[in-house]
Amino acid sequence: QSILTQPPSASGTPGQRVTISCSGSYSNIGVNAVSWYQQLPGRAPKFLFSSHNQRPSGVSDRFSGSKSGTSASLAISGLQSEDEADYYCAAWDDKLIGWVFGGGTKLTVL
Amino acid sequence: EVQLLESGGGLIQPGGSLRLSCAASDLTFSNFAMSWVRQAPGKGLEWVSAISGSAGSTYYADPVKGRFTISRDNSKNTLYLQMDSLRAEDTAVYYCAKELYSSTFYTMDVWGQGTTVTVSS
Repeated sequence: QSILTQPPSASGTPGQRVTISCSGSYSNIGVNAVSWYQQLPGRAPKFLFSSHNQRPSGVSDRFSGSKSGTSASLAISGLQSEDEADYYCAAWDDKLIGWVFGGGTKLTVL
Repeated sequence: EVQLLESGGGLIQPGGSLRLSCAASDLTFSNFAMSWVRQAPGKGLEWVSAISGSAGSTYYADPVKGRFTISRDNSKNTLYLQMDSLRAEDTAVYYCAKELYSSTFYTMDVWGQGTTVTVSS
């Protein structure tokens, strides 16, 4: 059972906007930044952005996010077939003293 | 461009030991904390361990505490994970990841390609 809660799956059609939620608690999302990662099939995770506005160059601005209280969300606009991947949220947990991840959301582009 | 390259994975019997390495390039290695994250077959990401840039602080997930040891050699730009008393449930792809800062943990912004550890008799 993951410390952060994500829906196991999400889907959308090309061009659509899709959101993925991530729910945690005060000791992680409540006080620390949330990071989002994309993992394409058979590949290593790739950092998309964080709630502290860190975003690597080259990451499309179709990916955006928000954080409120102990929850966060990832939004993907203008959905493309290449966005089909697993998406993970993560945050440092001050109580557990370590990183915690969501269980991952498998995004399917219909 | 910062690159991380893991090595040292393989097939090992239960109870055995293995040392993973992660070679970093194109960065001032000591300026950044580092982490190990693993992914069991068909499963999600699981954080394993982290170390500050100076190696003064180390952190472990409960499933590996007392069995795994994280270390780094800043003169060689290399991160290590010594894994002892390995169990079948340690079977996973192990990734090393660079943190944004030296001693605080905001984001793991660069990841290696992973090395596979299989624990089986």
